[in-house]
Amino acid sequence: GIQVEQSPPDLILQEGANSTLRCNFSDSVNNLQWFHQNPWGQLINLFYIPSGTKQNGRLSATTVATERYSLLYISSSQTTDSGVYFCAVTQSLFYNQGGKLIFGQGTELSVKP
Amino acid sequence: EAQVTQNPRYLITVTGKKLTVTCSQNMNHEYMSWYRQDPGLGLRQIYYSMNVEVTDKGDVPEGYKVSRKEKRNFPLILESPSPNQTSLYFCASRPASTGRNVLTFGAGSRLTVL
Repeated sequence: GIQVEQSPPDLILQEGANSTLRCNFSDSVNNLQWFHQNPWGQLINLFYIPSGTKQNGRLSATTVATERYSLLYISSSQTTDSGVYFCAVTQSLFYNQGGKLIFGQGTELSVKP
Repeated sequence: EAQVTQNPRYLITVTGKKLTVTCSQNMNHEYMSWYRQDPGLGLRQIYYSMNVEVTDKGDVPEGYKVSRKEKRNFPLILESPSPNQTSLYFCASRPASTGRNVLTFGAGSRLTVL
């Protein structure tokens, strides 16, 4: 089955720094999402981005579907950006499996004041 | 407010004591599913349901049961919990009609089995 790998696994930043998180996937996908899991465990959907580039405030994401990777950029990081960032993908064959998402293992980000 | 509601949010139990984690959504979604999250593994699908009375196994179904008697509810049942089921559990839903596979997740239920 499709594999999703995220890097780096852990990242420590000073407040104000920029960062790039990477997600590689082993097969073509119909959908790719980035999630932020806050310290209380809640999953927050950041981007739905099967291809192209999107921006939302200090966050932006780019997916190059033909090369099977996606990048999440965090600029001017704040302590509230801390948590785990997940990349998740799906393929058309998963639509009849409740729309199953395949998650990467996550990148744990810690932003220090 | 459109949401997926899980209960309990936190639970500590002992090996073998049956428990149920409830999940309810108010968006009239057809698709519902359960995921578990473990360190270094991300989230993995346990069971899913395409509609009332239609359920099937996901990637890690061992030790779990589900039912879908009503469209809004999709409880996760652990008949005889074991310590390896200690995990963070998420319920999710989405409508069948959309081509965008965007799931709405509940807030999570953190389960500890002693």
